[in-house]
Amino acid sequence: KQEVTQIPAALSVPEGENLVLNCSFTDSAIYNLQWFRQDPGKGLTSLLLIQSSQREQTSGRLNASLDKSSGRSTLYIAASQPGDSATYLCAVLPSDSWGKLQFGAGTQVVVTP
Amino acid sequence: DTAVSQTPKYLVTQMGNDKSIKCEQNLGHDTMYWYKQDSKKFLKIMFSYNNKELIINETVPNRFSPKSPDKAHLNLHINSLELGDSAVYFCASSQATYEQYFGPGTRLTVT
Repeated sequence: KQEVTQIPAALSVPEGENLVLNCSFTDSAIYNLQWFRQDPGKGLTSLLLIQSSQREQTSGRLNASLDKSSGRSTLYIAASQPGDSATYLCAVLPSDSWGKLQFGAGTQVVVTP
Repeated sequence: DTAVSQTPKYLVTQMGNDKSIKCEQNLGHDTMYWYKQDSKKFLKIMFSYNNKELIINETVPNRFSPKSPDKAHLNLHINSLELGDSAVYFCASSQATYEQYFGPGTRLTVT
């Protein structure tokens, strides 16, 4: 059974620092891995999708890497801003599952001005 | 230009009542989902429809019944609501197994 873990559960950084968020999963047989952002009381916003054949994806200040063999993904957010404060969720799509995303518990990020 | 929309946004009701949540996507996707986010903020899939056909049906009480009238709509009907059903319910859609897009959520409170 696939398990997804996100460490740390919470993170506070001063504005301008780079953010590093970690995600680990137990089964390397995945279609893809998706990073989301959730603001309090809001829905999920998709940030990046990495296919199983890819090693990384980039979008603006965001960069996500995927090491399938070790069951790890890292989301880097460069030059953090207070607007980056949110909960970041990692989700994997197992290869034997059609659309059944398995979510981690999330990392709550606070960027202080 | 809302991609995935849900109604209502908030739902407050008493135990024993029946309620429905509606979801619509205008992305042209062929697959739609219902997820539940509990009080600890953990997200778990409940159902998934592909081209109006149920393909994922997790261990959910049979008081929950999804219905997909067409590829763009997925509704969730809940009978005999219980206190433990209080949660945020998210609808999502995707094209096959690609990126999933989520709606804004429906916060259900059962009193």
